[in-house]
Formats: sequence, structure tokens, C-alpha cells
Amino acid sequence: AQSVTQLGSHVSVSEGALVLLRCNYSSSVPPYLFWYVQYPNQGLQLLLKYTSAATLVKGINGFEAEFKKSETSFHLTKPSAHMSDAAEYFCAVIKAGGFQKLVFGTGTRLLVSP
Amino acid sequence: DVKVTQSSRYLVKRTGEKVFLECVQDMDHENMFWYRQDPGLGLRLIYFSYDVKMKEKGDIPEGYSVSREKKERFSLILESASTNQTSMYLCASNGDSTSTGELFFGEGSRLTVL
Repeated sequence: AQSVTQLGSHVSVSEGALVLLRCNYSSSVPPYLFWYVQYPNQGLQLLLKYTSAATLVKGINGFEAEFKKSETSFHLTKPSAHMSDAAEYFCAVIKAGGFQKLVFGTGTRLLVSP
Repeated sequence: DVKVTQSSRYLVKRTGEKVFLECVQDMDHENMFWYRQDPGLGLRLIYFSYDVKMKEKGDIPEGYSVSREKKERFSLILESASTNQTSMYLCASNGDSTSTGELFFGEGSRLTVL
């Protein structure tokens, strides 16, 4: 079965600091990987996705993620945090046997302080 | 823009009541999904549908049923609500196989069962 593990339920950074949210995946076949963001009282929206093309994927709002097969990782980064980045972030992988059925991680809440 | 609309943002029900959560999408998407979101557990798939009148169980279908009589509408039904079904419920949709993984989410329905 495919799964993702997000390390750290909460991450705190100062405005302007580097953002690093960790995601490790487990998959018996090449995965498709995703990062979604959820702002307070809203649904989830897609930040970026990896679908076996370029290993460095750029998304919206200055975020990017790098697929590293050797480390089974897909960490999300942003060079400089902004107050508006405060949200919950979910890593997700496509489940084997059903290409539309995403399996989500438990989420990481990003806190940004002035 | 794709719009997924969940009719009720907040509901309070009593144990044993029958509860309907409605979801409508306006982009002619084939696939629709119901997820449950709980702190520390991320999103878990309850049911999904890939066509009108078609449905498949997700990872946690117990205590729930669904209905898809029209392509744009996907309803989640709690036949007899229980307190452990207090949660945030998220509806999502996407198109055909070329949109692999990119889900469009509604804003969520927060259900409290007393």
C-alpha cells in the first residue's frame, strides 16, 4: 500500500525565514505526489504535483518541492516565509489500484511569526 | 473557475438523526469524493463515485452511504448519526484520467453530533 508520512504536526518560522515541510512516501511503484494547502475555514487547494516529469516542481505562491527517489522524499520549501503562508499543508500520494484515489498525510500546520 | 459547493458549512444534529450532506460541482467532472478530516489524522476517504449511480467504498465507509443521481451532485448520508461522526467533511471532484490527482475541494461541512 502507498502512504505518506509528514514529519512534524506543527512548524514555526519567522517571517522571511526558510520554510521546510517534510514528506516521505512509501510506494511499491513510481508514485505521483502532491502538496495541498488549506487556509483557515476553507477547503484544500493544490500547491504543486509531481507526475514523473521534472524532479524539481514549482508551485503557486513561491513554493517548490523536489522528488528524491533515493530518500523517498518530497519535501516542500519556500525561501522566504510570508505571514499569508500560515495554513495547514498536506502531502498526498496516489493509491495503488486506483489512480484517482489520493492518500493524504496527517498534515503540518505552518505558523509564521512577525 | 471550478466550483465545488457544499450546501451546509455548519450543522448540529442529535444522535440517531439522519443527516444529509450535499455537494454540487459545476465543471461536469466525472469523479466525486467524500473525505473526512480529523485533527492528527489528515483526510480519509469515505466514498467516491466515478459516474452517475456508481459508487465505491473508500477507507472508512462504515456508518455512511452515498447517492449520485445526477452527475453534478454527490450526497453523503449518515443513516443514524453518532457522536464519533463529529468531524469536518470535505467534498471534492475531478475530471477524467488526464487530470490525475488534482482534486477540487469544497469549503467543507463541519458536523457536530450531540
